[in-house]
Amino acid sequence: NAGVTQTPKFQVLKTGQSMTLQCAQDMNHNSMYWYRQDPGMGLRLIYYSASEGTTDKGEVPNGYNVSRLNKREFSLRLESAAPSQTSVYFCASTKEWTGGIQPQHFGDGTRLSIL
Amino acid sequence: AQTVTQSQPEMSVQEAETVTLSCTYDTSENNYYLFWYKQPPSRQMILVIRQEAYKQQNATENRFSVNFQKAAKSFSLKISDSQLGDTAMYFCAFMKQGSGYALNFGKGTSLLVTP
Repeated sequence: NAGVTQTPKFQVLKTGQSMTLQCAQDMNHNSMYWYRQDPGMGLRLIYYSASEGTTDKGEVPNGYNVSRLNKREFSLRLESAAPSQTSVYFCASTKEWTGGIQPQHFGDGTRLSIL
Repeated sequence: AQTVTQSQPEMSVQEAETVTLSCTYDTSENNYYLFWYKQPPSRQMILVIRQEAYKQQNATENRFSVNFQKAAKSFSLKISDSQLGDTAMYFCAFMKQGSGYALNFGKGTSLLVTP
């Protein structure tokens, strides 16, 4: 029962490097999300995908791009990493059902450090 | 935009005692969901409890219960019979119906349960 799987778990980058954070869910969820967590800030929404083929900006989208590759996978790309993007990144997913909306299920997070 | 405020950055409680964590939110929406998530040192985001705004009855999950005051826009979490394993960061989160069902988080309350 994998749930939401994020890779990698840790990564160190140099300023200006690029990388893609991967996220996959096996719960047949329609909606997927990327959040970042900074000390004392709680989690903030970067981008989300309400359904396959759609993506929308969240509260802090600058410096990021996303791809909803298929229903299972939602990747987050940093094109030119900056020290301000040092953070813990969480992927989450959910789906609607006849009783409302399910709570979001979270991956274990990716700790990203940019030097 | 909805804002979620957790006014207690840190709290401490003795084992077996009861503690209440506060959360207020600001919204003009009528249909929404509220959640409490727990984040232990392992960094996992674990759902503690959820509340649908249209339900007047307060949600309960074993030792965890909420006091939902819709008119006051207040959503506090009560933990009864506190256990050492309850030590964690607790995040209050708001979800508006529609608009991708993204979560707006408060900044969190760090709860320490002492023997």
